Amino acid sequence: KQEVTQIPAALSVPEGENLVLNCSFTDSAIYNLQWFRQDPGKGLTSLLLIQSSQREQTSGRLNASLDKSSGRSTLYIAASQPGDSATYLCADQSMDSNYQLIWGAGTKLIIKP
Amino acid sequence: DTGVSQDPRHKITKRGQNVTFRCDPISEHNRLYWYRQTLGQGPEFLTYFQNEAQLEKSRLLSDRFSAERPKGSFSTLEIQRTEQGDSAMYLCASSRTLRPTRGQETQYFGPGTRLLVL
Repeated sequence: KQEVTQIPAALSVPEGENLVLNCSFTDSAIYNLQWFRQDPGKGLTSLLLIQSSQREQTSGRLNASLDKSSGRSTLYIAASQPGDSATYLCADQSMDSNYQLIWGAGTKLIIKP
Repeated sequence: DTGVSQDPRHKITKRGQNVTFRCDPISEHNRLYWYRQTLGQGPEFLTYFQNEAQLEKSRLLSDRFSAERPKGSFSTLEIQRTEQGDSAMYLCASSRTLRPTRGQETQYFGPGTRLLVL
């Protein structure tokens, strides 16, 4: 059974710091890995999608990396701001999971002003 | 286009009642997904449509759950004889792909419908 794990479950850092969120997955034959943001009581917003052939994707202050051999992805947030406070979820897709998104439970991030 | 919309945003019902949720995907998106999310967990896949065809259903989707997408546009998710365990956020997502199978497309999520069964 494919699993996606995110550690820590919660993280609190002062504004302005650079930070890294971690995601590990058990299925090495993934098609892609995605990072989403979820604000309290809201739906999910796709942040970055990394294809299996790619090593990283960047959008503004966000950079996501993918290492299929180790089963890990990281989301790097530069110069964090209070507005970055949210829950960040990663999810992968693979043929073995019949292309279903397999989700982690998320990391709740709090940026302190 | 303003994105995926869901209605209602919140629903409180008594155990045993039926409820129906609606999802309007982004126009021209041919795929539509339903997920369920409980507090502190990632979403769980329920079912998905390509155009009007329901192509896959999760084992989580018991006989009390039914979903339709009659004209390949909006979709409804009905839960019959609700139970307290059905309390969750129900999320809808849509995507556009030319591929015959899923994968490698970004799903756009709606704001969700939060269901509370008393």
